[in-house]
Amino acid sequence: EAGVVQSPRYKIIEKKQPVAFWCNPISGHNTLYWYLQNLGQGPELLIRYENEEAVDDSQLPKDRFSAERLKGVDSTLKIQPAELGDSAVYLCASSLDGAVGGEQYFGPGTRLTVT
Amino acid sequence: DAKTTQPPSMDCAEGRAANLPCNHSTISGNEYVYWYRQIHSQGPQYIIHGLKNNETNEMASLIITEDRKSSTLILPHATLRDTAVYYCIVRVGHSGYSTLTFGKGTMLLVSP
Repeated sequence: EAGVVQSPRYKIIEKKQPVAFWCNPISGHNTLYWYLQNLGQGPELLIRYENEEAVDDSQLPKDRFSAERLKGVDSTLKIQPAELGDSAVYLCASSLDGAVGGEQYFGPGTRLTVT
Repeated sequence: DAKTTQPPSMDCAEGRAANLPCNHSTISGNEYVYWYRQIHSQGPQYIIHGLKNNETNEMASLIITEDRKSSTLILPHATLRDTAVYYCIVRVGHSGYSTLTFGKGTMLLVSP
């Protein structure tokens, strides 16, 4: 079974430029998460989707961050414009509703460097 | 979700048992204890979870004290590939709906 796929793995951009990250969850997983992980810290939730609906986006900085999950499968996270402080790893995870353990499966992440 | 306290780092010799402690003194009756780990340059990986009873799977064992205020993750025979940051998380319920709140975790270094 394929895991959570993210691309690109690495991205370097200049500040004020836009950037987008893509995530393909595990087939059949209808819950999708985007996390932000700063160096030396644990991941922090940005947004959670149930199918195509964003049900928890309280931690998403909406002035510059946006996300979408069209058709309830793939998802894209966008930053426009990027700031120096956005340099971090962006992780995508998915889970299966009703699963006994409720485990979340994470992708490898996209490491963003803003110069 | 209740907060957890973990040591920032631990060392373990290859082949020996690694015992990673976690304090969660404010845990509520409906909160589960979860463990994830994150190997360098990878996303976090689920290890095990439990409510009251001790649990064991192919990766590890989870020992939860009777008062549920602390727990220990045991890797019975640590290998170099177990070097990672280990996160202890408590969360309400065990469905995918409830949030995972990660702390800084414990950096476990397994040495030859």
